[in-house]
Amino acid sequence: GQQLNQSPQSMFIQEGEDVSMNCTSSSIFNTWLWYKQEPGEGPVLLIALYKAGELTSNGRLTAQFGITRKDSFLNISASIPSDVGIYFCAGQPPSGTYKYIFGTGTRLKVLA
Amino acid sequence: DTEVTQTPKHLVMGMTNKKSLKCEQHMGHRAMYWYKQKAKKPPELMFVYSYEKLSINESVPSRFSPECPNSSLLNLHLHALQPEDSALYLCASSRLFFSGNTIYFGEGSWLTVV
Repeated sequence: GQQLNQSPQSMFIQEGEDVSMNCTSSSIFNTWLWYKQEPGEGPVLLIALYKAGELTSNGRLTAQFGITRKDSFLNISASIPSDVGIYFCAGQPPSGTYKYIFGTGTRLKVLA
Repeated sequence: DTEVTQTPKHLVMGMTNKKSLKCEQHMGHRAMYWYKQKAKKPPELMFVYSYEKLSINESVPSRFSPECPNSSLLNLHLHALQPEDSALYLCASSRLFFSGNTIYFGEGSWLTVV
């Protein structure tokens, strides 16, 4: 099925560094969701975005709904070892069946 | 409380077996989903139930049979599976199946077909 372009594919960073990742598409979306998935577990919802330009924070995480409605960004500040995991974005197109399209994931590893 | 509970956590089954995966949510959500996830890949939608009725079947083989007995429960019946069906099966729910719905996932059931 259709997938969003998510980048970077993987990141290795030092503890304390900030992290940025994004999802882009040629199509517009009405809603963006960001999830974190740890090995052996299901995706956990981090942030939900519902309108263009929206900027939402959840602790050290901040996500933005791109003004063009074709992209979204997730930032993690002052990374810690427990931030390790795969981060997925999911976008819901404005019309059709309300199904979400998932990004390919960003694998984050934090070095202590 | 945003909890979706899945059982069993792990399941190993032979290709001739019949088994079921179960999912439960008590958030009053009226949409429930089954996703399949292979290693290092994003979840792939299989089925959507809205108000206990099947709304979407993503051309899933008939060896997977979903069932929604009531608004809190969702089952996935498995029969005559193939080794390539081994994957993490995720149940999810949302308040409604509509624009702007927020999807909450369970922890998943790891299925191994031998």
